Amino acid sequence: DSGVTQTPKHLITATGQRVTLRCSPRSGDLSVYWYQQSLDQGLQFLIQYYNGEERAKGNILERFSAQQFPDLHSELNLSSLELGDSALYFCASSVGDRGSYEQYFGPGTRLTVT
Amino acid sequence: AQSVTQLDSQVPVFEEAPVELRCNYSSSVSVYLFWYVQYPNQGLQLLLKYLSGSTLVESINGFEAEFNKSQTSFHLRKPSVHISDTAEYFCAVSANLQTGANNLFFGTGTRLTVIP
Repeated sequence: DSGVTQTPKHLITATGQRVTLRCSPRSGDLSVYWYQQSLDQGLQFLIQYYNGEERAKGNILERFSAQQFPDLHSELNLSSLELGDSALYFCASSVGDRGSYEQYFGPGTRLTVT
Repeated sequence: AQSVTQLDSQVPVFEEAPVELRCNYSSSVSVYLFWYVQYPNQGLQLLLKYLSGSTLVESINGFEAEFNKSQTSFHLRKPSVHISDTAEYFCAVSANLQTGANNLFFGTGTRLTVIP
C-alpha cells in the first residue's frame, strides 16, 4: 500500500458525459501528479500540483481540468468524454517538487467510456 | 524534453535464468532515472532509482541497474528470476532542474514473463 488513495476504482460512463476522479496523497506529501495509461499512448503525464498551485502541464486535453484543494487532495475533471478517453488514470504524490523525490502511485481509476 | 526507449516490449525467460531489460533515454539536461514495476491490476511501485553517486544501484529483491552516461542507458538486470517477478517494468526519467517541470517520462514498458 503506497498510502495514495484514489476513488472510484472503476467508472463506466457514456460519451459526452463528465466525471470527476479523486486522489488523496500520502500524509505529508505536497505534490500531486496525474498520469494517464492507455494501450496506444502508454503512460503519459497530465498535470502536476504543488501545495495547491499548478506546477506543470503535460499532454492534458482542454476538456480535462484539475485542482488541488487546501487539504491537498486533488480532483481530475474529465468532460465531453470520448471513447478514446478510456484509460487507467493514476495519481502520484511526492513530498516535494523536485525530480529526485520518489513518486508514490495510487491504485488507479479505470475509466471506461461507452 | 526527455524521452525513454524500452527496446523490448516482451521478454520471456525461464525461472532461475538471468534477465536484462533494456532502457535508453534522451535528454538535454541532467536527469534522474527510475525503474517502476506494475503487477496485474495494481499501481506502479518504485523498484530502484539513480539520483547521483555510484552508477550501480540495487533493489531489495535482487534487481540492479547501472547508469551509463556515455551510452545514455539504465538497463535493469537480475541474475536469477522467480515466478513472482512476472510483471510489467517501466523505465522513467525526470529532469534534474532547480525549477520547472519534474514529472516522470515513461518508456512503453517491458512485459517480463517468467516461465516455470
